[in-house]
Amino acid sequence: QVQLQESGPGLVKPSQTLSLTCTVSGGSISSLSYYWNWIRQPAGEALEWIGRVYANGNTNYNPSLQSRVTISVDTSKSQFSLKLSSVTAADTAVYYCARGLGIKFDPWGQGTLVIVSS
Amino acid sequence: QSALTQPASVSGSPGQSISISCIGTRSDVGGYNYVAWYQQHPGTAPKLMIYDVSDRPSGVSDRFSGSKSGNTASLTISGLQAEDEADYFCISYSSISTVVFGTGTKVTVL
Repeated sequence: QVQLQESGPGLVKPSQTLSLTCTVSGGSISSLSYYWNWIRQPAGEALEWIGRVYANGNTNYNPSLQSRVTISVDTSKSQFSLKLSSVTAADTAVYYCARGLGIKFDPWGQGTLVIVSS
Repeated sequence: QSALTQPASVSGSPGQSISISCIGTRSDVGGYNYVAWYQQHPGTAPKLMIYDVSDRPSGVSDRFSGSKSGNTASLTISGLQAEDEADYFCISYSSISTVVFGTGTKVTVL
């Protein structure tokens, strides 16, 4: 059974870069059938898709975040990562990673809260 | 890309049926049969309920069904139960190789 787990700092200062890693266990991250997503959810608000990466490194990003986002994959470590630069308080959210197949996002990680504050 | 539009809240009594709409455009909901619905209870990760407009993953109750007409997708919950009280989000493939979520709907069981 595939499981995903987010990790990274829970507090980031404004203007700095948010960095998170998602570790995949119980299955292969190398299959090109799947893609690997980052999604976020500010408190009390809707989910927002950040972007995705395939095992071959190909990426797609939400146009509203594209200028600040980089998603990468390390198949040797069964991990994929998110970097979001120049963060502000508006980037405070629970960040989720999830496996994608078609329009199915399943499974999801448990989510990690990232607060942007000085 | 703009978020898909959902009603902020929908409510119903136990045993009733309710429907949640998800309004998009020809560039997302209307253009593809790639719409999914997720259920989210407070403090937990979303759970896949419907994919590819109307398919149900194994283990999801057949009280949940999905449909689409034009640019609008819908999730129907029949035989409403207390455990169905949660937030529901739609999601669709978009023409620029991206994915767009809905604004979310809070379902209340009266």
